[in-house]
Amino acid sequence: GESVGLHLPTLSVQEGDNSIINCAYSNSASDYFIWYKQESGKGPQFIIDIRSNMDKRQGQRVTVLLNKTVKHLSLQIAATQPGDSAVYFCAENGGGATNKLIFGTGTLLAVQP
Amino acid sequence: KAGVTQTPRYLIKTRGQQVTLSCSPISGHRSVSWYQQTPGQGLQFLFEYFSETQRNKGNFPGRFSGRQFSNSRSEMNVSTLELGDSALYLCASRAFQGNTEAFFGQGTRLTVV
Repeated sequence: GESVGLHLPTLSVQEGDNSIINCAYSNSASDYFIWYKQESGKGPQFIIDIRSNMDKRQGQRVTVLLNKTVKHLSLQIAATQPGDSAVYFCAENGGGATNKLIFGTGTLLAVQP
Repeated sequence: KAGVTQTPRYLIKTRGQQVTLSCSPISGHRSVSWYQQTPGQGLQFLFEYFSETQRNKGNFPGRFSGRQFSNSRSEMNVSTLELGDSALYLCASRAFQGNTEAFFGQGTRLTVV
């Protein structure tokens, strides 16, 4: 039969507004996290990372917050632009020397001009 | 500095055939990981190579295999292709094992008919 795709949560924002994308991670031992942006037909693009010894990290127009108590990550995008429209994934590194990344299901960010 | 290069970008194969995909990591990077992306399952870890050795493997059947060469380039092979193997196959490059940025290629879109 026809396969059913993952239901992607969608965040719709107006151009110029701030966006907040949330992610719950699964492994309390994970000590490193990455946010990716994926546009249609392209591979995931690295946005920003954070280690578990930090609560917050800022980049250009983006901020990542980490709450280890509730295993939650968020990505804040300031002054959202149409070019920010994409699917955003959080990924956790499982701890230790492994390079295995565990990805969330993703959030579709739709920026309205 | 060149990014991660995956070849070919697109492939169409028939059920039962086998396929080999190639990934050249960022110059100087020694870790290569492979992921499968489908609408139904999202991004799933296949395996990870570092210094020509497989370090970690995901929950995929033995039809999926890979290797890494002394120049860090990696190949993955899928034998006896099934319709469900249709996916975007992504390669991630990291400088070393552990908590460091992972950069993805554009992927190889495999369609099995």
